[in-house]
Amino acid sequence: GQQLNQSPQSMFIQEGEDVSMNCTSSSIFNTWLWYKQEPGEGPVLLIALYKAGELTSNGRLTAQFGITRKDSFLNISASIPSDVGIYFCAGKVNAGNNRKLIWGLGTSLAVNP
Amino acid sequence: DGGITQSPKYLFRKEGQNVTLSCEQNLNHDAMYWYRQDPGQGLRLIYYSQIVNDFQKGDIAEGYSVSREKKESFPLTVTSAQKNPTAFYLCASSNSLGGLQPQHFGDGTRLSIL
Repeated sequence: GQQLNQSPQSMFIQEGEDVSMNCTSSSIFNTWLWYKQEPGEGPVLLIALYKAGELTSNGRLTAQFGITRKDSFLNISASIPSDVGIYFCAGKVNAGNNRKLIWGLGTSLAVNP
Repeated sequence: DGGITQSPKYLFRKEGQNVTLSCEQNLNHDAMYWYRQDPGQGLRLIYYSQIVNDFQKGDIAEGYSVSREKKESFPLTVTSAQKNPTAFYLCASSNSLGGLQPQHFGDGTRLSIL
């Protein structure tokens, strides 16, 4: 099935550094979602974006819905050890059909205290 | 608290056996989903249901079956026809009204073959 191009695949950073990851697609999306998954648990929704150009923050996290509607990025400022996990982007092709949620392969984040 | 409960957390299957994974939600969501997660492959949709007594195949439905007899429950059966069932299985739900609501996930069931 169709997948998003999510990058980088993995990151290893020092505590306190800022982090940036992004997703791109050949398709136009109406919705972008960012999730975080910790080992042995289900993904937890971080930020949902519904409008091109939208910039939304959730604490130290900021995500943007690209103007072209084919990309989105997630930034984490001043990283801390509990930011460790896998971050997934997901995009919805058709807002009227909740089934069509396309997933990236994830960005694995490791934070060195 | 409202949420999605998956059970069991860990499950072992013998060759040739069918096993059923439970998913219950008390969020009053109409739509429910089953995903399979393998290392390096992200989430792949197995089955989904937009309403009680109705469900549709996802991208990798072969070897799986589901039922949706109640709004809050969406059990997944991994049949003996699924030749490579070892994976992490995730159940999700969403309020499908308007189609804009994001999916919320349970904590998963890890299935292994004995």
